[in-house]
Amino acid sequence: KNQVEQSPQSLIILEGKNCTLQCNYTVSPFSNLRWYKQDTGRGPVSLTIMTFSENTKSNGRYTATLDADTKQSSLHITASQLSDSASYICVVSPNFGNEKLTFGTGTRLTIIP
Amino acid sequence: DVKVTQSSRYLVKRTGEKVFLECVQDMDHENMFWYRQDPGLGLRLIYFSYDVKMKEKGDIPEGYSVSREKKERFSLILESASTNQTSMYLCASSIPDGGVYFGAGTRLSVL
Repeated sequence: KNQVEQSPQSLIILEGKNCTLQCNYTVSPFSNLRWYKQDTGRGPVSLTIMTFSENTKSNGRYTATLDADTKQSSLHITASQLSDSASYICVVSPNFGNEKLTFGTGTRLTIIP
Repeated sequence: DVKVTQSSRYLVKRTGEKVFLECVQDMDHENMFWYRQDPGLGLRLIYFSYDVKMKEKGDIPEGYSVSREKKERFSLILESASTNQTSMYLCASSIPDGGVYFGAGTRLSVL
């Protein structure tokens, strides 16, 4: 069964600190992996998309890494801001098209001043 | 910017009512999706559509139907709402193998 597991479930850090969120997947075949940010009460917004040939991708203070051999990804947030407080969802696609996406349950990140 | 608009942010309905959730996208995307999101479960696909009048069941279609009469509009229908359909419903659109764009969500409570 295709699965995406994220850790930790929740994380609290001080403003200005860095943090790393983890994603392990067992989806096969593999096409791409995405990280989304979801603010409370809102829909998810895409941060990065990586194919199996990419091992790192950045979007501002967000840097995602991918190890397709170990089926692991991480999302690193640098110099956190209060607006980074959100849920971060890892999503894996097995093929062309978007109808077979497998979603993780997310990491709830809280930034405190 | 892609915009996916869901007609209601919050809805409260009674058990047995027929419920319509509407979604409109403005980017001429072929694919549209309906998901529900529940705590601890992640997003689960209810239905998707890859063209006008075309639809495919997702992972949890029971109790739901959909309608896509126009390319930009995808409706989710709860024929007879039940309390276990209380959830956050998210509409999304995409081109094949492109980014998926989500609406803001509709939080539905069935009493």
